[in-house]
Amino acid sequence: QVDLQESGPRLVRPSETLSLTCSVSGGSVRSDVHYWTWIRRPPGKGLEWIGYVYYSGTANYNPSLKSRVSISIDLSKGQFSLKLNSVTAADTAFYYCARQPTRGLWFDPWGQGIQVTVSS
Amino acid sequence: QSVLTQPPSVSGAPGQRVTISCTRSSSSTGASYDVHWYQLIPGTAPKLLIYDNTNRPSGVPDRFSGSKSGTSASLAITGLQSEDEADYYCQSYDTSLSGWVSVFGTGTKVTVL
Repeated sequence: QVDLQESGPRLVRPSETLSLTCSVSGGSVRSDVHYWTWIRRPPGKGLEWIGYVYYSGTANYNPSLKSRVSISIDLSKGQFSLKLNSVTAADTAFYYCARQPTRGLWFDPWGQGIQVTVSS
Repeated sequence: QSVLTQPPSVSGAPGQRVTISCTRSSSSTGASYDVHWYQLIPGTAPKLLIYDNTNRPSGVPDRFSGSKSGTSASLAITGLQSEDEADYYCQSYDTSLSGWVSVFGTGTKVTVL
């Protein structure tokens, strides 16, 4: 059974870079039939797709975040990572990582999520 | 304007049937794209309930069912139980100038009375 776990700082200062890592166990990030994805949910708001990375390193991002976001993958560690720069209070959210099949495009499974607050 | 619109809330008594709609915006070109559904309960990982409009993953109770017609999809919960109180989201994808993007519905809070 594939399990995903998010980790990283829970408090980030405004204008700095938010960095999170998702560790994958019970499966391989080398899969050529899955995308590895980040999703967030700001307080009181709905889910927002951030983007994904493929095992090859190819990434695709939400156009609304594209100028500030980068998602990368570390095949040797079985991890993929999110970097969001120039953060503001609007980036405060629960951040989730998830797996997405390349044919089907649903998200399953998800990590439990990590609450990240942007504040000075 | 959201690509996928859901009612903010629905409620029902235990044992009743509730439905949640997910309507695609007329400005979206993805009317034929498949819809998936998720359950979010605080403190737990979000859970896939329905994929490809009507399919239930292993382990999801059969009281959850999905349907799709044209630009609208629906999630039905029959025999509502207290543990079904949660937020529910539909998801699909849309096309943009830079390719395809995943999109979520606006979310629906289900309250068990």
